[in-house]
Amino acid sequence: ELKVEQNPLFLSMQEGKNYTIYCNYSTTSDRLYWYRQDPGKSLESLFVLLSNGAVKQEGRLMASLDTKARLSTLHITAAVHDLSATYFCAVDIIGGGADGLTFGKGTHLIIQP
Amino acid sequence: EPEVTQTPSHQVTQMGQEVILRCVPISNHLYFYWYRQILGQKVEFLVSFYNNEISEKSEIFDDQFSVERPDGSNFTLKIRSTKLEDSAMYFCASSANAYEQYFGPGTRLTVT
Repeated sequence: ELKVEQNPLFLSMQEGKNYTIYCNYSTTSDRLYWYRQDPGKSLESLFVLLSNGAVKQEGRLMASLDTKARLSTLHITAAVHDLSATYFCAVDIIGGGADGLTFGKGTHLIIQP
Repeated sequence: EPEVTQTPSHQVTQMGQEVILRCVPISNHLYFYWYRQILGQKVEFLVSFYNNEISEKSEIFDDQFSVERPDGSNFTLKIRSTKLEDSAMYFCASSANAYEQYFGPGTRLTVT
């Protein structure tokens, strides 16, 4: 059974600080996804990481993937209040078909002014 | 920008009733999915659909659930006899390439 673990599950930080969210998964996969969810809203795709060593950046967020370690990180640089949300990582098992995603429990991020 | 749409946004039903949740995927997408999220918990995969048949399903997707693509645009999830524990947000997603999935706004199902 594929397991996806995120930590921390809850993070309160101040504006201007840097922090990293970690996502570990339990089985071989080359595809890792990061989503953002605002309260009561849907899931917004942030990053799709498709290979070992992949690094993607968008604004103050940067995601990376190490498939050997089965680890992805989401790094926040100089946090701003607008980044407050819940962040999910998700993994699929490459089976050649329409694979469902297995999500982590999410990291609830609060950035205080 | 094309979006996945879902109706209704909120559905209240009594235990034992049948409900149908509707989704209109992005028009050129070929892969379709249903997920659910119980309040405050993680998102859970239910089923995926490709080429007019179920591609993969989770343990949650038991005989009470079914999916259908009745025409060229809609993708539906039916729950035959709802239970209290079916109360959740149900998300539809679609994909053009079987990896990047775009999620709809969700239907909040409340079973009383």
